[in-house]
Amino acid sequence: AQRVTQPEKLLSVFKGAPVELKCNYSYSGSPELFWYVQYSRQRLQLLLRHISRESIKGFTADLNKGETSFHLKKPFAQEEDSAMYYCALYNFNKFYFGSGTKLNVKP
Amino acid sequence: KAGVTQTPRYLIKTRGQQVTLSCSPISGHRSVSWYQQTPGQGLQFLFEYFSETQRNKGNFPGRFSGRQFSNSRSEMNVSTLELGDSALYLCASSREGGRFNEQYFGPGTRLTVT
Repeated sequence: AQRVTQPEKLLSVFKGAPVELKCNYSYSGSPELFWYVQYSRQRLQLLLRHISRESIKGFTADLNKGETSFHLKKPFAQEEDSAMYYCALYNFNKFYFGSGTKLNVKP
Repeated sequence: KAGVTQTPRYLIKTRGQQVTLSCSPISGHRSVSWYQQTPGQGLQFLFEYFSETQRNKGNFPGRFSGRQFSNSRSEMNVSTLELGDSALYLCASSREGGRFNEQYFGPGTRLTVT
């Protein structure tokens, strides 16, 4: 069965500190991994997808098939990064979302 | 262009009743997916409609159903409401669905079952 686990409900860091949002997954087949973000009073939106190998707003995520992880990283957190982050897996024509991690970047 | 819209935004129903939620996708988008969001569970996929046909379905009981119209607008219906159905229901549209087409989410409908 497909499952996405985000072990941290809340992650608090100071501005300028590195941040890593964890995501682990279990799957059958060849998954596609995504990170979605929801800023306060805004809609859920795509942040990045692993297939694009891109950096968005300074965030990167590497797919580690051996550890079945897709952690989201940013070297220097900004206050505007405070938001809810969801890891998602696409497999068998469906999206499976984790329960989300709230990132709080303190000044 | 206009984003995904959902109506109503808030709804309060009583156990046993039924409810219909509506989603209007971005113009040109033919795929509409529905999700249930509850605290601690994250988003759970309900179903996807594409060109008026249900293309994919999640693991929800038959009380949850949906449909899509020729203009791509979609509705979902929940019959015989239970307290556990209280949630934020999100719809998302994309051009063709699938992993290569970005999903655009609506603001959600907050359903409270009492």
